Amino acid sequence: GESVGLHLPTLSVQEGDNSIINCAYSNSASDYFIWYKQESGKGPQFIIDIRSNMDKRQGQRVTVLLNKTVKHLSLQIAATQPGDSAVYFCAENNYGGSQGNLIFGKGTKLSVKP
Amino acid sequence: EPEVTQTPSHQVTQMGQEVILRCVPISNHLYFYWYRQILGQKVEFLVSFYNNEISEKSEIFDDQFSVERPDGSNFTLKIRSTKLEDSAMYFCASSEIGTSAETQYFGPGTRLLVL
Repeated sequence: GESVGLHLPTLSVQEGDNSIINCAYSNSASDYFIWYKQESGKGPQFIIDIRSNMDKRQGQRVTVLLNKTVKHLSLQIAATQPGDSAVYFCAENNYGGSQGNLIFGKGTKLSVKP
Repeated sequence: EPEVTQTPSHQVTQMGQEVILRCVPISNHLYFYWYRQILGQKVEFLVSFYNNEISEKSEIFDDQFSVERPDGSNFTLKIRSTKLEDSAMYFCASSEIGTSAETQYFGPGTRLLVL
């Protein structure tokens, strides 16, 4: 089975609303998680990361929450804007891999309605 | 802000031909990676590279693939005898020191189409 997956493949929100994108992981040994944003035709763009010794980390308009008990990761985007429309991937480090290659989830497409 | 660059942005090739995808990682980064993304699917790890040798590779990275750092700035992925199923976006990434808890920065990708 997949190590990292997403609960919702698509999410549609109104401009100005908050968005929450969820991700489940299965490898309890993973200790580093990243959210990437991918716009059409572009490469994954780093948004925010979190280490397993943290439960929450905030950036500019984004917050990542980590629940190790249920192996769940979420990305919260405050005051969602049309420019936030993209596919969002969670990724975990391949713990045990010597150089930390990343395992990506399938992605959630976020659509922001004006 | 420094970024990873890739060329070409698009490549069309005939099945059985060889292609070379090029990447220029961020200049002070020491670890380099190739990933691929088949249309509509998730990003998959291919290979990592450090100090002029492969550090790790996935099951996808078979004898058909090779990587090279031909000079101080470029990092290449060669696909010999391309197959239809090699059609995908290929992303190069780099990280500063390659630890397991370190951000990897991705390039814009090369879209490869094998006909």
